[in-house]
Amino acid sequence: GAVVSQHPSRVICKSGTSVKIECRSLDFQATTMFWYRQFPKKSLMLMATSNEGSKATYEQGVEKDKFLINHASLTLSTLTVTSAHPEDSSFYICSARDLGEAYNEQFFGPGTRLTVL
Amino acid sequence: AQTVTQSQPEMSVQEAETVTLSCTYDTSENNYYLFWYKQPPSRQMILVIRQEAYKQQNATENRFSVNFQKAAKSFSLKISDSQLGDTAMYFCAFEADSSYKLIFGSGTRLLVRP
Repeated sequence: GAVVSQHPSRVICKSGTSVKIECRSLDFQATTMFWYRQFPKKSLMLMATSNEGSKATYEQGVEKDKFLINHASLTLSTLTVTSAHPEDSSFYICSARDLGEAYNEQFFGPGTRLTVL
Repeated sequence: AQTVTQSQPEMSVQEAETVTLSCTYDTSENNYYLFWYKQPPSRQMILVIRQEAYKQQNATENRFSVNFQKAAKSFSLKISDSQLGDTAMYFCAFEADSSYKLIFGSGTRLLVRP
């Protein structure tokens, strides 16, 4: 199956700094990537939909200036958490859709654990 | 707006036995897809099974099968011959054909006992 990678897998940062998380589709092209946030023992909450070459679409309640998303190519989307604070600590997961599939299944990355001190 | 409800926060089953996880959803869409995802302790999301709403036949993948009741908006997952490796969080998810967004239920934590 298609593979999606995320980097880094874990990151610890100080409050006030910015953190960038990369999401890559390794063996397929993805016009659309999705970013989710998951709190401990909770479900995945969609934060935004990222389309290659256009602005991301954010879900209601998600601060676009706090969570900057860039989808510069068909294989890479980045999520930047700006001026991170402890409440931004969470598990962030991306997914990507494979253009080549008859049905556009979402393939998930392994996630990034962000801890803000 | 679509909603997905999983009413069983935790379930437990003896190894080799069968267990059924429940899921209900609400939508006014006609064309949609339903999924069950597994999230083991590694937290990697793994697609277990999917069902197209226009198909009457229930989807089956080896030991995993669904009971799709479209009129009742119910989509349960049956795991047969449970294995220790089935221990994980299981999420039911909905996707409207017009949206491409996945809406997840709250999840069911399944423990397979040896």
